[in-house]
Amino acid sequence: QVQLVQSGAEVKKPGASVKVSCKASGYTFTSYGISWVRQAPGQGLEWMGWISAYNGNTNYAQKLQGRVTMTTDTSTSTAYMELRSLRSDDTAVYYCARLRLGGYDSSDYWGQGTLVTVSS
Amino acid sequence: DIQMTQSPSSLSASVGDRVTITCRASQSISSYLNWYQQKPGKAPKLLIYAASSLQSGVPSRFSGSGSGTDFTLTISSLQPEDFATYYCQQSYSTPGGFTFGPGTKVDIK
Repeated sequence: QVQLVQSGAEVKKPGASVKVSCKASGYTFTSYGISWVRQAPGQGLEWMGWISAYNGNTNYAQKLQGRVTMTTDTSTSTAYMELRSLRSDDTAVYYCARLRLGGYDSSDYWGQGTLVTVSS
Repeated sequence: DIQMTQSPSSLSASVGDRVTITCRASQSISSYLNWYQQKPGKAPKLLIYAASSLQSGVPSRFSGSGSGTDFTLTISSLQPEDFATYYCQQSYSTPGGFTFGPGTKVDIK
């Protein structure tokens, strides 16, 4: 069965960086993309970007350009999302999801979420 | 960038009710529209993709329609497990990103 298992909760200080991992299993990793979505406490969903696990192509949300990097390690079927220069408003639950690319793109399987808290 | 709006922002309904949620895009997105359900403390779940295609395993009481700028999600007979927040998402705009609507919370009347 398809599973996405994310790394554990993180607490970071403002200005620091965080790297969240997302290990996929149960499907051919390079046949899909991985999207990243975050949700601040009590707020809605915010799309952060996606990466193709096939060729590494990325597409980031404009507001995060320059602070976010998404990568994959096909040898371990793991995706990573690194966010730099953290601010308090980056406090959120971060989700990875399998992304069906190449047509009507949609995220059909999701990780359990990783809480990132940014606090001095 | 393409902006997504949803109405209503919240609604109260009873088990068995027919519920309709509307999503509007700031420009035409053809049928590049997904619907997700999210329950508190849980990850979102894909319900509908390509505006009207039912994701595998999703009950048939959920349906989607629309194209261009106006879309609807309909729950034909609300069940207790359907009380949740529903989000639309456009997957048309690659440079701008796959933006979500603000969500519609469905709770018990």
